[in-house]
Amino acid sequence: RKEVEQDPGPFNVPEGATVAFNCTYSNSASQSFFWYRQDCRKEPKLLMSVYSSGNEDGRFTAQLNRASQYISLLIRDSKLSDSATYLCVVNFPTLAGGYNKLIFGAGTRLAVHP
Amino acid sequence: DAGVIQSPRHEVTEMGQEVTLRCKPISGHNSLFWYRQTMMRGLELLIYFNNNVPIDDSGMPEDRFSAKMPNASFSTLKIQPSEPRDSAVYFCASSGTSYGYTFGSGTRLTVV
Repeated sequence: RKEVEQDPGPFNVPEGATVAFNCTYSNSASQSFFWYRQDCRKEPKLLMSVYSSGNEDGRFTAQLNRASQYISLLIRDSKLSDSATYLCVVNFPTLAGGYNKLIFGAGTRLAVHP
Repeated sequence: DAGVIQSPRHEVTEMGQEVTLRCKPISGHNSLFWYRQTMMRGLELLIYFNNNVPIDDSGMPEDRFSAKMPNASFSTLKIQPSEPRDSAVYFCASSGTSYGYTFGSGTRLTVV
């Protein structure tokens, strides 16, 4: 089983649509969760952290289900500028103890069309 | 703040040559990470440092790869000898007290 799994997509949606991305992770000891966005030929950039109670940032809503080891990202009222790859990111405690490394999912591609 | 600075932006080299990628983390960040990204395998963590000390190098693919961090403001990733399958985008990222990472613009490596 992959450490962090995502549906690769692509998701092709019209402007204004609502789209949801899902992600599962394998390490039940993980404590921190993020969504990153990566534009074509650019570096990944932090979109938002994911908190246990769920959190919202404008049109973006992130949810976490620890029992199912499942994370989601909902984008409402999609814009053309939302077209990118969305990476699910989870911290994995290391054997060294006290240190964490971030493991990235393979990403889900989103294409928003007029 | 200039962000994480990587050099070179692009590198084309012949198989068998040595390649050195460079990274300058954000000042004050105490963790540095090297990632490799390919279409087939996505973003893979190669190695990371905390306070200039290598913590986890389990992602380094083989002995041809080595990384150093001689001080808090500089790190290198070296491939010797390089092979065509090493062609990828190599990202360096740094992190401070929070868990979020800031990535550099990456080095696009092509080995022919």
